[in-house]
Amino acid sequence: DSGVTQTPKHLITATGQRVTLRCSPRSGDLSVYWYQQSLDQGLQFLIQYYNGEERAKGNILERFSAQQFPDLHSELNLSSLELGDSALYFCASSVAIGVGYEQFFGPGTRLTVL
Amino acid sequence: AQKVTQAQTEISVVEKEDVTLDCVYETRDTTYYLFWYKQPPSGELVFLIRRNSFDEQNEISGRYSWNFQKSTSSFNFTITASQVVDSAVYFCALSEAGTASKLTFGTGTRLQVTL
Repeated sequence: DSGVTQTPKHLITATGQRVTLRCSPRSGDLSVYWYQQSLDQGLQFLIQYYNGEERAKGNILERFSAQQFPDLHSELNLSSLELGDSALYFCASSVAIGVGYEQFFGPGTRLTVL
Repeated sequence: AQKVTQAQTEISVVEKEDVTLDCVYETRDTTYYLFWYKQPPSGELVFLIRRNSFDEQNEISGRYSWNFQKSTSSFNFTITASQVVDSAVYFCALSEAGTASKLTFGTGTRLQVTL
């Protein structure tokens, strides 16, 4: 158990809908990352927050947004869902920002868009 | 731009065989970190090792060992005396200084260990 929690574990929804994925980092970790794992794109970095502020963006679609709240939990919002958004979404956390800090991954949320 | 290549898509071995998973990376930075993660069939990502660009010493942890060679930009992972529980997808990843420590992953190598 990494100490990172993600809810829900599974999510099934229809095209055009909007969903929210939630992540609670390990106690004491200030940095949260979101990654998407899909069959065609592999594991890709989406976005990073540090202590409530966005710090880096990867290949995140405009239909996707995220935020980190004062209690450090983070939410990833996916809207106007398409079939291709079906994937495993991971949240990871690290104690600080900077190269080399180990990222602890949550169990993931498996999103299925029908 | 940073890139990680895991050319082996899938490897099958019989239990107790040794197996090496290859990882080749590309980066322009002199300061970077390399990682290996394991993804068992249950789906979670499990951290295995981290190595910084200034430390080329090989590392051994039980049946696992890692060989880092900057001259060939490789960070290979060897499992000695493989076991069925080693069956998983293994990912190599790179983190560069100045990228807010995001991880760039390779495509993974699926290891199947059979009896």
